Amino acid sequence: SQQGEEDPQALSIQEGENATMNCSYKTSINNLQWYRQNSGRGLVHLILIRSNEREKHSGRLRVTLDTSKKSSSLLITASRAADTASYFCATYMEYGNKLVFGAGTILRVKS
Amino acid sequence: DAGVTQSPTHLIKTRGQQVTLRCSPKSGHDTVSWYQQALGQGPQFIFQYYEEEERQRGNFPDRFSGHQFPNYSSELNVNALLLGDSALYLCASSSAAGGRPQHFGDGTRLSIL
Repeated sequence: SQQGEEDPQALSIQEGENATMNCSYKTSINNLQWYRQNSGRGLVHLILIRSNEREKHSGRLRVTLDTSKKSSSLLITASRAADTASYFCATYMEYGNKLVFGAGTILRVKS
Repeated sequence: DAGVTQSPTHLIKTRGQQVTLRCSPKSGHDTVSWYQQALGQGPQFIFQYYEEEERQRGNFPDRFSGHQFPNYSSELNVNALLLGDSALYLCASSSAAGGRPQHFGDGTRLSIL
């Protein structure tokens, strides 16, 4: 079963706009990670936020984590056509050694 | 510095056959995880190998087995293939310390006829 659930399932925006994707999970976590997947390719790690952190930035990416609501959001600012991809949140459980992925958000950035 | 490499890139098999997929981890990594990704879904964890042993397993039947070699490379074997095994199989590597970001290969696309 999948731990994380992303919302929305699909998002279409214009170049230059911001894109926000949300993720909810079910159990206690050690950390939460976001990955990007271009069509037909492997996943690329974007950013990791630990369970004791609330916000993290990396370039045009901003991630927030609310452990009380078991949710996270990924904000991509000033989007580009090259940001078109599927985005997945993945939780690293508090116990164990596996990464559990959600179903993903498909982002399309129109130029 | 090579990243994670997987072979083959594509494979077509028929029901009942057996398949072996291969993975070489990123240099410096000693832990390999395998995932199955069905079309339109997120990756599902199959199992993880560390020090040549299966360290953790997801909810997959015994038809799925694996192996890790002393050079940290790994194989995924699937026996008695079913139509539902058609998917993208992804290998990811990381260091032994838990919770680290994983580096993924581009996967093997397995089609079952």
